This record gives sequence, C-alpha cells and structure tokens, in this order.
Amino acid sequence: GAVVSQHPSWVICKSGTSVKIECRSLDFQATTMFWYRQFPKQSLMLMATSNEGSKATYEQGVEKDKFLINHASLTLSTLTVTSAHPEDSSFYICSARGGPEGYEQYFGPGTRLTVT
Amino acid sequence: AQKVTQAQTEISVVEKEDVTLDCVYETRDTTYYLFWYKQPPSGELVFLIRRNSFDEQNEISGRYSWNFQKSTSSFNFTITASQVVDSAVYFCALNWGGGSEKLVFGKGTKLTVNP
Repeated sequence: GAVVSQHPSWVICKSGTSVKIECRSLDFQATTMFWYRQFPKQSLMLMATSNEGSKATYEQGVEKDKFLINHASLTLSTLTVTSAHPEDSSFYICSARGGPEGYEQYFGPGTRLTVT
Repeated sequence: AQKVTQAQTEISVVEKEDVTLDCVYETRDTTYYLFWYKQPPSGELVFLIRRNSFDEQNEISGRYSWNFQKSTSSFNFTITASQVVDSAVYFCALNWGGGSEKLVFGKGTKLTVNP
C-alpha cells in the first residue's frame, strides 16, 4: 500500500518547451502533495506544497510562473516546467501525504528532466 | 531556523562491518519529527523510520537501529553487519510542529558497502 507514481520517469526536451510531470497516489487519497528538486549528488529541496483544490504554496526563490503546479484531485498533482532551460535539468520528486497512518510522506520514484 | 546536518559525505565499509551514520538537527520547536530515508541508485526514496520528539527510545529493526538523543540533538542510524545491498545515499530529515508539513533534508551520506 501507499504507492506514489510519477510519469514520465525521464524526459528530454528542447530549450523553450514546456514539460508536464504527473504525480499520482495509487492506493490512497492525498490532500497534500509536495514537489522536490534534487541536483546531482545533492539533497532534496522543497519547491512547493500542493493542496487539493487550492493554489500551491511555493518556497522562497521558486518561480511560480515557471513551475506551475495543479492539484486537481485527491490522487493527482502535476508540475509543469514552462519554457524550460538547461539549468532546469534536474531530478524532480513528488511526495504525497497520507497512507495508512495519515501523516507519512510517500515519495514517488522521481522524474529525470534533461533540457537540451 | 530548521536545519539538518549530516557531516559524513561518503562512507565506505567492507561487508559485515557495522556503520553509523550521523545526523544532527536544529529546531526551536518542542514538537518535531525526525526521519531517515534511503535513496538507492534507482533514485526512489525509501522511508526507514519516523521518530517524534517526545519519544527518545532507541529503536531496532532487524539490522537497523536508531539512537535519538535530544541532549545532543542527534538522531544517528546504525547498520549492523552491513551488506552490499545497503549501498545507497541515506538522508536524515526534520519536520517540525506548528502545522508545518515540510521536510527539511540533510545533504545525505553516501554509503558504499564493498564485498
């Protein structure tokens, strides 16, 4: 139980294009989902907190217009990287809060984005 | 400010050795939660343990054990009789009270277990 999926697992796109990443909680409802970014050999940095049916809360320094987050249902949140540039290349990980005990954060497998 | 420090960047051991990964945290909140996650080369984070600030009992789960000491603000993780499959990056993380659900991660410790 408490499985979180991400799609796609990896994506290569050209500079200037937009990329959408999906995060789904497969067997539980997640009122809150989180998006993290991880550069190679570095730690996870929280980008934003996403609550179902409301606007996401972004961390300081994260551009809202560049990283669009939509949490349309209790099992799906999407992150769209708009007008991607090479510096946006990173490993994006989502997590969903919920599961059997209600408080755990379960992490997706991550999406590796490469912008050429 | 909330902060997690994992001073050990990389550790290399030989199989069957015991290894301890250090984690020191900073928070002004009296209610907080500490976590350990494992990130194997595949990238997916694997939850290992959650400990709240009011529970200082040490915990053992198979070859894994955790030592929580509020007096030194540490939450160390020991793997006994390490195995090659333990090779991964291990992250310590902090979630504090007051309704915050955010996790602050340490920089991680890369553990390599050699056969």
